[in-house]
Amino acid sequence: DTAVSQTPKYLVTQMGNDKSIKCEQNLGHDTMYWYKQDSKKFLKIMFSYNNKELIINETVPNRFSPKSPDKAHLNLHINSLELGDSAVYFCASSQLFEAFFGQGTRLTVV
Amino acid sequence: QKEVEQDPGPLSVPEGAIVSLNCTYSNSAFQYFMWYRQYSRKGPELLMYTYSSGNKEDGRFTAQVDKSSKYISLFIRDSQPSDSATYLCAMSLEGAQKLVFGQGTRLTINP
Repeated sequence: DTAVSQTPKYLVTQMGNDKSIKCEQNLGHDTMYWYKQDSKKFLKIMFSYNNKELIINETVPNRFSPKSPDKAHLNLHINSLELGDSAVYFCASSQLFEAFFGQGTRLTVV
Repeated sequence: QKEVEQDPGPLSVPEGAIVSLNCTYSNSAFQYFMWYRQYSRKGPELLMYTYSSGNKEDGRFTAQVDKSSKYISLFIRDSQPSDSATYLCAMSLEGAQKLVFGQGTRLTINP
């Protein structure tokens, strides 16, 4: 039973399109995150939600809009996709300091 | 300068060797130190964590934190080909709800 699951696993889309990535966790954690991993494997936080409330927004462009309908779900919507948005996006959840990650969504913008 | 520095490698060693992976950091307020392992095309999985300074051992893995030097290490004894992966160090402030990651070191264990 997958602890943190995100869909889709792969996403190929054209510049200018809008796309969404969905994430769900069944660990009962209060905090969920979106991380971005670039081509050099550098993993950087984008957003953090605690009990559906946004607590961290790491200077991410306004084109990225997270939404948490409940504490088990955190979705990411991206408007007007750009070539530079190509990366692997990871959802994660935690109760304390350690985070548990999903398998990632590999986004390619062409 | 990045908050957490980690040599990206790649690092290639023969099976059975002892592997040493390291990170340095600049923020002396970091209190939680973690090592994640990431296989190709998978999400990072937590290997070990340490609070503040000291050592922690789990099977073939030992994590060390030296806060005075702002330096953390992960040692892998009797390395196996299945240990081949990218290893990422991560750190967190007390009460903070985000992890700051190093770039990751790509490790290959050759049979």
